[in-house]
Amino acid sequence: DAGVTQSPTHLIKTRGQQVTLRCSPKSGHDTVSWYQQALGQGPQFIFQYYEEEERQRGNFPDRFSGHQFPNYSSELNVNALLLGDSALYLCASSGGVRGRGETQYFGPGTRLLVL
Amino acid sequence: AQRVTQPEKLLSVFKGAPVELKCNYSYSGSPELFWYVQYSRQRLQLLLRHISRESIKGFTADLNKGETSFHLKKPFAQEEDSAMYYCALSEPSSGSARQLTFGSGTQLTVLP
Repeated sequence: DAGVTQSPTHLIKTRGQQVTLRCSPKSGHDTVSWYQQALGQGPQFIFQYYEEEERQRGNFPDRFSGHQFPNYSSELNVNALLLGDSALYLCASSGGVRGRGETQYFGPGTRLLVL
Repeated sequence: AQRVTQPEKLLSVFKGAPVELKCNYSYSGSPELFWYVQYSRQRLQLLLRHISRESIKGFTADLNKGETSFHLKKPFAQEEDSAMYYCALSEPSSGSARQLTFGSGTQLTVLP
């Protein structure tokens, strides 16, 4: 099992453009969470998807949207990119067996640079 | 609002010395607390969680509700412990994993 995978690894966009990031969860996991990590900061929660629906959302504008597919993989879309969107975007998967204190497993991240 | 504070961005200790990475939190209730670690060129991974009450790689962390702290400790640091450490908090959950609130991290360097 390759664990959580993300694509692409790096991406360069210009202000105003749109970007789509992709995530495949760890085998057996059905829940995907997305985090944004700015330079020198800890990850910040964007949203979580389960059963193809957004279940939790952090303090991010509507420019950030997502999707989950029937195979549990997920996409993060960001519209009208701003310079401040430059960050490492992390995907984390969990689930499979419902219970208290599930562990989230993180992917390697996609580094987005907005010029 | 929930918040996690790691007051030290950088921490250096010598091999064999004790190490303590500080973490304080604010949350109106009984949160779940975690320590995540990121070694050089590796992904973020769970080190330990307070509900497990276990020691991983010689590290322990005790939840102190009175002081709202969850400090990470190891009696004898090793060079391979050098990494970025993040303290994180989530609401208690009986179902799916809840969102994590992370601190800003502490870069630990263990000197030979």
